[in-house]
Amino acid sequence: KQEVTQIPAALSVPEGENLVLNCSFTDSAIYNLQWFRQDPGKGLTSLLLIQSSQREQTSGRLNASLDKSSGRSTLYIAASQPGDSATYLCAVSMNRDDKIIFGKGTRLHILP
Amino acid sequence: DVKVTQSSRYLVKRTGEKVFLECVQDMDHENMFWYRQDPGLGLRLIYFSYDVKMKEKGDIPEGYSVSREKKERFSLILESASTNQTSMYLCASRPEYGESSTDTQYFGPGTRLTVL
Repeated sequence: KQEVTQIPAALSVPEGENLVLNCSFTDSAIYNLQWFRQDPGKGLTSLLLIQSSQREQTSGRLNASLDKSSGRSTLYIAASQPGDSATYLCAVSMNRDDKIIFGKGTRLHILP
Repeated sequence: DVKVTQSSRYLVKRTGEKVFLECVQDMDHENMFWYRQDPGLGLRLIYFSYDVKMKEKGDIPEGYSVSREKKERFSLILESASTNQTSMYLCASRPEYGESSTDTQYFGPGTRLTVL
């Protein structure tokens, strides 16, 4: 059974720093991997989606990498800002058709 | 932009009541999902649907049912609400899967349900 783990559960960093969020998964035969952002009391917003054949995706200050063989993904945030404070969730799909499996998230706090 | 709306942001019900949570999406997506989110447990899939009148159980379907009479609308039903169903409920939709970076799930804002 696929399990997705995100460590740490919470992280505080000063504004302006670059940071890395980690995600690991137990079964490397994934179809794709996504990173989502969730603000308190709100729904999820997709940030980046990496297909299994890809190694990374970039959007603005965000870069997500995927290493299927080691069962790891990282989300790199450059020049962090207080507006980046949110919970970041990693999620994997095992095949084309149905559900995705979420990690429990990393709660990020950027200190002004 | 894709829009997924949920009928209520906050809802308070009493034990034993029948509760309807409504979700509507405006992008003609085939797939729709209902999750609940609890501290320490993360998101858990309750039910999903690939098409009108079709439904599949997720990981925690007990105590819930769903209805999808129209493509754009997916309803979650709590037949007899219990206190352990107090949670944040999130609806999502997704187009038919393809080899595209946009094949993600789009989430609604959530309904925070409290059962007293």
